[in-house]
Amino acid sequence: DIQMTQSPPVLSASVGDRVTLSCKASQNINKNLDWYQQKHGEAPKLLIYYTNNLQTGIPSRFSGSGSGTDYTLTISSLQPEDVATYYCYQYNSGWTFGGGTKLELK
Amino acid sequence: EVQLVESGGGLVQPGRSMKLSCAASGFTFSNYGMAWVRQAPTKGLEWVATISYDGSSTYYRDSVKGRFTISRDNAKSTLYLQMNSLRSEDTATYYCTRVGRSSYIYWGQGVMVTVSS
Repeated sequence: DIQMTQSPPVLSASVGDRVTLSCKASQNINKNLDWYQQKHGEAPKLLIYYTNNLQTGIPSRFSGSGSGTDYTLTISSLQPEDVATYYCYQYNSGWTFGGGTKLELK
Repeated sequence: EVQLVESGGGLVQPGRSMKLSCAASGFTFSNYGMAWVRQAPTKGLEWVATISYDGSSTYYRDSVKGRFTISRDNAKSTLYLQMNSLRSEDTATYYCTRVGRSSYIYWGQGVMVTVSS
């Protein structure tokens, strides 16, 4: 089974900061990776699909990149409404979510 | 507007069964694969099971194989999750989600399942 490891588990940042969240797969997942945002008490929301494709309606401050085993979600200028937990998710072999990164305001 | 509405959750004793339903509307249900994703209290997301658009293929995470069954009724636009031999570790909010390009764009609001004596 493919394991997905997200880092850091918790990230504190200030409004306007550039924020980078990391996700590492236990083997090559060929860019078959999504990013989801989950705010407290809500269902998850798809942000990025297939590594770097912005889902319709998602602000352009969100972007994704990566290849092989290493992937990144970047928020170019953190906004208060971005406080949430972010999950990466691979579907290259089976289906696996990462453990999540909780993003807080400093 | 796409809507996914789960039902059937609640409190159940260990070893007993429960069946979740997900009523879909706003799209042609029979054209899409569907999945269940769960989240234990204060924990992360966990994929549970997926079913193909026509029900011919099903997939399960190892920890629920042989205990859970995902199924669908395309005539009723409804997805199901039959859960048998429930364990305390199955306690979670269960989300119904539509599969598109392998991604989950649409999610239900979730239904809570608590396994406890």
